[in-house]
Amino acid sequence: QVQLVQSGAEVKKPGASVKVSCKASGYTFPSYGITWVRQAPGQGLEWMGWISPYIGNTNYAQKLQGRVTMTTDTSTSSAYMELMSLRSDDTAVYYCARFRFGDPFDYWGQGTLVTVSS
Amino acid sequence: EIVLTQSPDVQSVTPKEKVTITCRASQSIGSSLHWYQQKPGQSPKLLIKYASQSMSGVPSRFSGSGSGTDFTLTINSLEAEDAAAYYCHQSSSLPQTFGPGTKVDIK
Repeated sequence: QVQLVQSGAEVKKPGASVKVSCKASGYTFPSYGITWVRQAPGQGLEWMGWISPYIGNTNYAQKLQGRVTMTTDTSTSSAYMELMSLRSDDTAVYYCARFRFGDPFDYWGQGTLVTVSS
Repeated sequence: EIVLTQSPDVQSVTPKEKVTITCRASQSIGSSLHWYQQKPGQSPKLLIKYASQSMSGVPSRFSGSGSGTDFTLTINSLEAEDAAAYYCHQSSSLPQTFGPGTKVDIK
Protein backbone atom coordinates (compact mmCIF):
# COMPACT_ATOMS: atom_id res chain seq x y z
CA GLN A 1 0.00 0.00 0.00
CA VAL A 2 1.07 3.56 -0.63
CA GLN A 3 2.78 5.18 2.35
CA LEU A 4 4.54 8.46 2.93
CA VAL A 5 6.49 8.49 6.20
CA GLN A 6 7.90 11.78 7.42
CA SER A 7 10.70 12.61 9.82
CA GLY A 8 10.07 13.57 13.42
CA ALA A 9 9.24 16.84 15.12
CA GLU A 10 11.81 19.63 15.17
CA VAL A 11 12.41 22.65 17.40
CA LYS A 12 14.46 25.43 15.85
CA LYS A 13 15.55 28.93 16.77
CA PRO A 14 14.65 31.92 14.62
CA GLY A 15 17.07 32.29 11.72
CA ALA A 16 17.92 28.59 11.61
CA SER A 17 17.03 26.09 8.89
CA VAL A 18 15.04 22.87 8.99
CA LYS A 19 15.00 19.92 6.61
CA VAL A 20 12.01 17.57 6.65
CA SER A 21 12.11 14.20 4.92
CA CYS A 22 9.34 12.15 3.36
CA LYS A 23 10.01 8.51 2.45
CA ALA A 24 7.65 6.96 -0.08
CA SER A 25 6.78 3.30 -0.54
CA GLY A 26 4.18 1.19 -2.30
CA TYR A 27 4.37 2.89 -5.70
CA THR A 28 6.81 3.89 -8.42
CA PHE A 29 8.36 7.00 -6.90
CA PRO A 30 9.35 8.85 -10.11
CA SER A 31 5.85 8.50 -11.55
CA TYR A 32 4.28 10.98 -9.14
CA GLY A 33 5.06 14.48 -7.99
CA ILE A 34 5.55 15.35 -4.34
CA THR A 35 3.95 18.45 -2.93
CA TRP A 36 4.42 20.11 0.45
CA VAL A 37 1.58 21.71 2.40
CA ARG A 38 1.81 23.34 5.82
CA GLN A 39 -0.72 24.11 8.51
CA ALA A 40 -0.10 26.62 11.26
CA PRO A 41 -1.68 25.84 14.65
CA GLY A 42 -5.46 26.11 14.41
CA GLN A 43 -5.25 27.37 10.84
CA GLY A 44 -5.98 26.12 7.33
CA LEU A 45 -3.83 24.46 4.69
CA GLU A 46 -1.16 26.37 2.76
CA TRP A 47 0.39 25.00 -0.44
CA MET A 48 4.17 25.44 -0.42
CA GLY A 49 5.22 23.99 -3.74
CA TRP A 50 6.00 20.77 -5.57
CA ILE A 51 8.78 18.77 -7.13
CA SER A 52 8.86 16.24 -9.92
CA PRO A 53 11.13 13.34 -8.89
CA TYR A 54 11.39 12.21 -12.52
CA ILE A 55 12.64 15.49 -13.97
CA GLY A 56 13.67 17.32 -10.82
CA ASN A 57 11.86 20.53 -11.67
CA THR A 58 10.20 22.51 -8.93
CA ASN A 59 7.58 25.19 -8.42
CA TYR A 60 7.43 27.16 -5.17
CA ALA A 61 4.81 29.43 -3.67
CA GLN A 62 5.88 33.01 -4.28
CA LYS A 63 5.85 33.95 -0.60
CA LEU A 64 8.45 31.24 0.12
CA GLN A 65 10.70 31.86 -2.90
CA GLY A 66 14.30 32.14 -1.81
CA ARG A 67 13.72 30.40 1.53
CA VAL A 68 12.48 26.97 0.48
CA THR A 69 14.23 24.18 -1.41
CA MET A 70 12.60 20.89 -2.38
CA THR A 71 14.68 17.94 -3.49
CA THR A 72 14.30 14.22 -4.06
CA ASP A 73 16.53 11.14 -3.96
CA THR A 74 15.14 8.53 -6.31
CA SER A 75 17.60 5.91 -5.02
CA THR A 76 15.82 5.95 -1.65
CA SER A 77 12.37 7.13 -2.83
CA SER A 78 12.66 10.11 -0.54
CA ALA A 79 11.69 13.75 -0.81
CA TYR A 80 13.05 16.62 1.25
CA MET A 81 11.87 20.11 2.07
CA GLU A 82 14.35 22.60 3.50
CA LEU A 83 13.13 25.92 4.86
CA MET A 84 15.72 28.55 5.76
CA SER A 85 15.76 31.75 7.81
CA LEU A 86 13.00 30.43 10.03
CA ARG A 87 10.61 32.83 11.71
CA SER A 88 8.05 32.27 14.43
CA ASP A 89 5.25 32.27 11.87
CA ASP A 90 6.85 29.23 10.20
CA THR A 91 5.69 27.19 13.19
CA ALA A 92 3.39 24.63 11.63
CA VAL A 93 2.77 21.01 10.77
CA TYR A 94 4.41 20.28 7.43
CA TYR A 95 2.88 17.60 5.21
CA CYS A 96 4.16 15.89 2.08
CA ALA A 97 1.66 14.45 -0.35
CA ARG A 98 1.69 12.56 -3.62
CA PHE A 99 0.02 13.65 -6.84
CA ARG A 100 -0.03 13.35 -10.59
CA PHE A 101 0.32 16.74 -12.23
CA GLY A 102 -3.01 18.51 -12.42
CA ASP A 103 -4.60 15.98 -10.07
CA PRO A 104 -5.40 16.34 -6.37
CA PHE A 105 -3.21 15.07 -3.54
CA ASP A 106 -4.28 11.50 -2.97
CA TYR A 107 -1.88 10.24 -0.29
CA TRP A 108 -0.43 12.28 2.55
CA GLY A 109 2.34 11.84 5.07
CA GLN A 110 1.57 11.91 8.77
CA GLY A 111 2.91 15.44 9.17
CA THR A 112 5.97 16.90 10.89
CA LEU A 113 5.61 19.59 13.54
CA VAL A 114 8.23 22.31 13.23
CA THR A 115 8.34 24.74 16.13
CA VAL A 116 10.31 27.95 15.80
CA SER A 117 11.02 29.51 19.16
CA SER A 118 13.82 31.37 20.86
CA GLU B 1 -3.84 33.69 -7.59
CA ILE B 2 -7.23 32.00 -7.42
CA VAL B 3 -8.92 32.67 -4.10
CA LEU B 4 -11.32 30.07 -2.71
CA THR B 5 -13.95 31.10 -0.19
CA GLN B 6 -15.99 28.63 1.82
CA SER B 7 -19.22 28.94 3.73
CA PRO B 8 -20.15 28.50 6.43
CA ASP B 9 -17.07 28.76 8.63
CA VAL B 10 -18.62 26.47 11.21
CA GLN B 11 -21.70 24.29 11.09
CA SER B 12 -23.15 22.59 14.17
CA VAL B 13 -25.51 19.79 13.23
CA THR B 14 -27.28 16.82 14.78
CA PRO B 15 -26.75 13.29 13.50
CA LYS B 16 -28.82 12.37 10.43
CA GLU B 17 -29.06 16.00 9.37
CA LYS B 18 -27.95 17.06 5.89
CA VAL B 19 -24.87 19.27 5.61
CA THR B 20 -24.10 21.55 2.68
CA ILE B 21 -20.75 23.31 2.32
CA THR B 22 -20.08 25.70 -0.52
CA CYS B 23 -16.81 26.73 -2.12
CA ARG B 24 -16.58 29.67 -4.49
CA ALA B 25 -13.58 30.41 -6.73
CA SER B 26 -12.51 33.94 -7.67
CA GLN B 27 -12.37 32.86 -11.32
CA SER B 28 -13.50 29.87 -13.35
CA ILE B 29 -11.61 26.67 -12.61
CA GLY B 30 -13.70 24.25 -14.66
CA SER B 31 -14.05 21.11 -12.56
CA SER B 32 -10.54 21.21 -11.02
CA LEU B 33 -11.94 21.44 -7.51
CA HIS B 34 -11.32 18.81 -4.85
CA TRP B 35 -12.56 18.23 -1.29
CA TYR B 36 -10.62 16.97 1.72
CA GLN B 37 -11.70 15.92 5.19
CA GLN B 38 -9.36 16.52 8.12
CA LYS B 39 -10.12 15.12 11.55
CA PRO B 40 -8.30 16.53 14.60
CA GLY B 41 -4.70 15.36 14.79
CA GLN B 42 -4.87 13.65 11.39
CA SER B 43 -3.65 14.36 7.88
CA PRO B 44 -6.15 15.56 5.28
CA LYS B 45 -7.98 12.81 3.38
CA LEU B 46 -9.12 13.23 -0.23
CA LEU B 47 -12.89 12.71 -0.41
CA ILE B 48 -13.99 14.06 -3.77
CA LYS B 49 -11.93 14.90 -6.86
CA TYR B 50 -12.86 16.94 -9.90
CA ALA B 51 -15.95 18.37 -8.21
CA SER B 52 -18.01 15.19 -8.17
CA GLN B 53 -15.86 12.03 -8.34
CA SER B 54 -15.90 10.19 -5.02
CA MET B 55 -12.72 8.46 -3.97
CA SER B 56 -12.76 4.73 -3.38
CA GLY B 57 -13.96 3.82 0.09
CA VAL B 58 -15.67 7.14 0.78
CA PRO B 59 -19.18 6.61 2.17
CA SER B 60 -21.95 7.27 -0.32
CA ARG B 61 -23.43 9.98 1.92
CA PHE B 62 -20.66 12.30 0.66
CA SER B 63 -21.23 13.89 -2.73
CA GLY B 64 -19.94 16.87 -4.66
CA SER B 65 -21.27 19.05 -7.43
CA GLY B 66 -20.56 22.22 -9.34
CA SER B 67 -18.35 23.66 -12.04
CA GLY B 68 -16.85 26.98 -13.02
CA THR B 69 -16.82 29.05 -9.84
CA ASP B 70 -19.43 27.48 -7.56
CA PHE B 71 -19.11 24.12 -5.89
CA THR B 72 -20.90 22.18 -3.17
CA LEU B 73 -20.01 19.34 -0.83
CA THR B 74 -23.05 17.57 0.58
CA ILE B 75 -23.14 15.13 3.47
CA ASN B 76 -26.45 13.31 3.57
CA SER B 77 -27.52 11.92 6.92
CA LEU B 78 -24.51 13.09 8.94
CA GLU B 79 -22.87 10.58 11.26
CA ALA B 80 -20.89 11.39 14.40
CA GLU B 81 -17.67 10.24 12.72
CA ASP B 82 -18.07 13.03 10.13
CA ALA B 83 -17.07 15.69 12.67
CA ALA B 84 -14.08 17.31 10.96
CA ALA B 85 -12.81 20.26 8.99
CA TYR B 86 -13.52 20.22 5.27
CA TYR B 87 -11.32 22.02 2.74
CA CYS B 88 -11.73 22.69 -0.94
CA HIS B 89 -8.64 22.84 -3.17
CA GLN B 90 -8.11 23.99 -6.76
CA SER B 91 -5.52 22.46 -9.08
CA SER B 92 -6.52 24.52 -12.14
CA SER B 93 -3.61 26.95 -11.94
CA LEU B 94 -0.52 27.79 -9.93
CA PRO B 95 -0.24 28.58 -7.16
CA GLN B 96 -2.59 25.85 -6.06
CA THR B 97 -4.82 27.13 -3.29
CA PHE B 98 -7.07 25.87 -0.54
CA GLY B 99 -10.23 27.29 0.90
CA PRO B 100 -10.12 28.42 4.55
CA GLY B 101 -12.04 25.37 5.70
CA THR B 102 -15.44 24.59 7.20
CA LYS B 103 -15.63 22.99 10.62
CA VAL B 104 -18.50 20.57 11.11
CA ASP B 105 -19.41 19.98 14.75
CA ILE B 106 -21.85 17.45 16.10
CA LYS B 107 -24.49 18.86 18.45
